This record gives sequence, C-alpha cells and structure tokens, in this order.
Amino acid sequence: EVQLLASGGTLVQPGGSLRLACAVSGFDFSTKAMTWVRQAPGKGLEWVSTITGSGDGTYYADSVKGRFTISRDNFKKTLYLQMDSLRADDTAVYYCAKDRGNWGHDACDVWGQGTMVTVSS
Amino acid sequence: DIQMTQSPSTLSASVGDTVTITCRASQTINNFLAWYQQKPGKAPHLLIFAASSLQSGVPSRFSGSGSGTEFTLTITSLQPDDFATYYCQQYDSYSRTFGQGTKLEI
Repeated sequence: EVQLLASGGTLVQPGGSLRLACAVSGFDFSTKAMTWVRQAPGKGLEWVSTITGSGDGTYYADSVKGRFTISRDNFKKTLYLQMDSLRADDTAVYYCAKDRGNWGHDACDVWGQGTMVTVSS
Repeated sequence: DIQMTQSPSTLSASVGDTVTITCRASQTINNFLAWYQQKPGKAPHLLIFAASSLQSGVPSRFSGSGSGTEFTLTITSLQPDDFATYYCQQYDSYSRTFGQGTKLEI
C-alpha cells in the first residue's frame, strides 16, 4: 500500500523558517515526481512546488519562489519543503502528494494527510 | 499562469441526480486536466486525469470530458458519499493551477 506521512507543521513567527518532511512507502520513490500543495483555512487548493524523481528538476509557484526549497532524499524515501521568510499568508495545511509520472507536470494520484503550518506572532 | 475557472461555485442536488461541473482554462491545456474530490478535513482524492481517464478504483458514475479550454465533470446517480467539494487542475505547464472549487450540497 502506498503511504505518505507529512510532518513538521507547527506555529512559527513571521520571518521564521520551518522544514516539512514527507515519509513515503509502498512504491519506487526515485521514479516518481513529488509535489507539495497547500490549503489556507476555508480556502481552495494551491500548488506550491514539484520535484522530479532524481531531484534535478524543481518547480515553484510564484508566491513561494525564492523563499521555499523543495528537496528529496531517495535513500531515506523522504520529501522535504524548506520554508524561509514565512509570512502570515503561508498559513495553511500542507499536503505532500505523489505524481502519476516523473515529468514534472502531472496529476497527483496519492496524497498524504497534511500538516498544519501557522505563521503568527 | 494559466487561470482555471470553475462553475458553479455551489451546486445543490439530491441522491440519484445527475450533475455537471464545468472548468474553463484561460488558454488551451492539451487535455492535461485532472479532477479531485475533497471532503472536509481530508486530503484531496484523484478522480479523473487526462481530462477523461478514470483513476483506478473510482466508481464509473464519475466521468470527464472536454478538450482545449473547456472541460466537464459529470456524476450520474449521485450517492450520499459524493457530497463534497470538487476541484479541477491543469498540469499542462510546470506551474499547475487549480480551479476555485465547486461545493456539491444535498
């Protein structure tokens, strides 16, 4: 069974940093692109970032470009999202998700349970 | 970025009804269109990819159609479990975008 378990969400002050992690199991991690999607309270879904299976392709939404960094450790089967210079409008549930393929632009066929990030003083 | 516009924002229906949700893209997206279902407090769930391909395990009462810039999700014979929020998403570009969502209410 494919499983994704996101962690690392917490309360952080504006301007602070946080690293989210997503531990996966049940599939060949290195052959699939992985994606982060977020959802602010009461709002819709927003794509955040995607990384290809080897890690050589990374893509970001304009709203996080230059502040967030996506990475992966294929030996540990873990996806990461380093979030710096956090702002109040980064407050959201962050979902990690597995892409169907490894092209960098695809649908997400398996999702983790989400981890809540709250940016507030 | 490609903008995705869903309609309606809210849809009221009854068990057994057939409903249709529309999604329009601001430019052609070559059928790189997915539909997701989300229930309160839960992660989204993939229903349809490539505009009309049914994801494994999804009931056949869900179907997708369309091409170019206009796409639809149709749910026939609504079941109680289908009342949720539905999102379209384009993945034609590396900068993916979602529609604003359609809440399907009883």
